[in-house]
Amino acid sequence: DQQVKQNSPSLSVQEGRISILNCDYTNSMFDYFLWYKKYPAEGPTFLISISSIKDKNEDGRFTVFLNKSAKHLSLHIVPSQPGDSAVYFCAARDFEGSQGNLIFGKGTKLSVKP
Amino acid sequence: DAGVTQSPTHLIKTRGQQVTLRCSPKSGHDTVSWYQQALGQGPQFIFQYYEEEERQRGNFPDRFSGHQFPNYSSELNVNALLLGDSALYLCASSPGGAAGELFFGEGSRLTVL
Repeated sequence: DQQVKQNSPSLSVQEGRISILNCDYTNSMFDYFLWYKKYPAEGPTFLISISSIKDKNEDGRFTVFLNKSAKHLSLHIVPSQPGDSAVYFCAARDFEGSQGNLIFGKGTKLSVKP
Repeated sequence: DAGVTQSPTHLIKTRGQQVTLRCSPKSGHDTVSWYQQALGQGPQFIFQYYEEEERQRGNFPDRFSGHQFPNYSSELNVNALLLGDSALYLCASSPGGAAGELFFGEGSRLTVL
């Protein structure tokens, strides 16, 4: 049973517009959420994170929103750039139950068109 | 500052064989986690090593085993390889024994024929 779900396998956005990537989770014990970006032939790279005690975290063009009641988080990229084209993974940490390993979604492939 | 390095980058094995993958963590990191990423899937946690001991294990059979050395480097061993073991194996390191923000290597692509 998938605890972290990214229901959109792909997303295409025009350069300069906003990209919104969504993630849903089922485990209310998750205390920390992260987004990773992965280019082909490279390992995932940490992008941004948010603690479960917050509802928003911003870092430059990237903002993550957390809605605990809906068990939903989203990553906003504004403005989108062609270099943002990559696979984005949502991940969650279940610290109490798992001593800190990360549970990943299947990823969303973002394509930013010039 | 060297990041996480993994070797080999690619390898091909046949069913029933054994494989050893190696990982050197990022400088200053003492915790190593291994993940398996099958095609079209997200990384799946195999196990984590801290202070040379397996700290936690995911839902993988005993054919998957590991080791951490005093210099914090780590090995992942898979015995009796199955076709379904074909995947990208990612090593990640972090400081202090908890996951949080993981730093990943480029991975070892294993193909089992």
